[in-house]
Amino acid sequence: EAQVTQNPRYLITVTGKKLTVTCSQNMNHEYMSWYRQDPGLGLRQIYYSMNVEVTDKGDVPEGYKVSRKEKRNFPLILESPSPNQTSLYFCASRNLGTIVADTQYFGPGTRLTVL
Amino acid sequence: GQQVMQIPQYQHVQEGEDFTTYCNSSTTLSNIQWYKQRPGGHPVFLIQLVKSGEVKKQKRLTFQFGEAKKNSSLHITATQTTDVGTYFCAGAGSYQLTFGKGTKLSVIP
Repeated sequence: EAQVTQNPRYLITVTGKKLTVTCSQNMNHEYMSWYRQDPGLGLRQIYYSMNVEVTDKGDVPEGYKVSRKEKRNFPLILESPSPNQTSLYFCASRNLGTIVADTQYFGPGTRLTVL
Repeated sequence: GQQVMQIPQYQHVQEGEDFTTYCNSSTTLSNIQWYKQRPGGHPVFLIQLVKSGEVKKQKRLTFQFGEAKKNSSLHITATQTTDVGTYFCAGAGSYQLTFGKGTKLSVIP
């Protein structure tokens, strides 16, 4: 079954304690990205990756890091989480497409609370 | 950069009424995609429109892409409680997808 998986699904942590949210896809997609979703603000892209070892900033990258060492995995790292990073996070993947962006598949989401 | 505006932000309808959400892009799009997010769920792809003026239907849902490829709409005929959720458009330009903020649909039984 084609899917994007994220772990953990729920996380409550404290300010400053480093954490990693994992993301994995089994569709051999080149493109992967992270979004955060906040009420009234829609989906905002944090980082994206067009292939292994190629990452770039999205619209709201501050306070986040990513890496893409393997095609299937794209972890999101919060080195020193702060309360304003409390949010719902989605990982997504898709084929890069030769001309236009292809259908995007989303993971189930990670609800993060930073106290 | 590319911006996609979506209106309305919220819509409350009686079951059986119609519903429409609109998207407008600041630039010409290569294609536009529509996603639905059920409460507590993740966005799920509905459809993609590529051609200027294209109209596609999925049962009670009708999707349109404007002639200039800068706007799009999703119309639901005779809403049902199963239509509840947030509908997002996403405009594609080259390799980037830019999401609108979504329209949250509530259906009153």
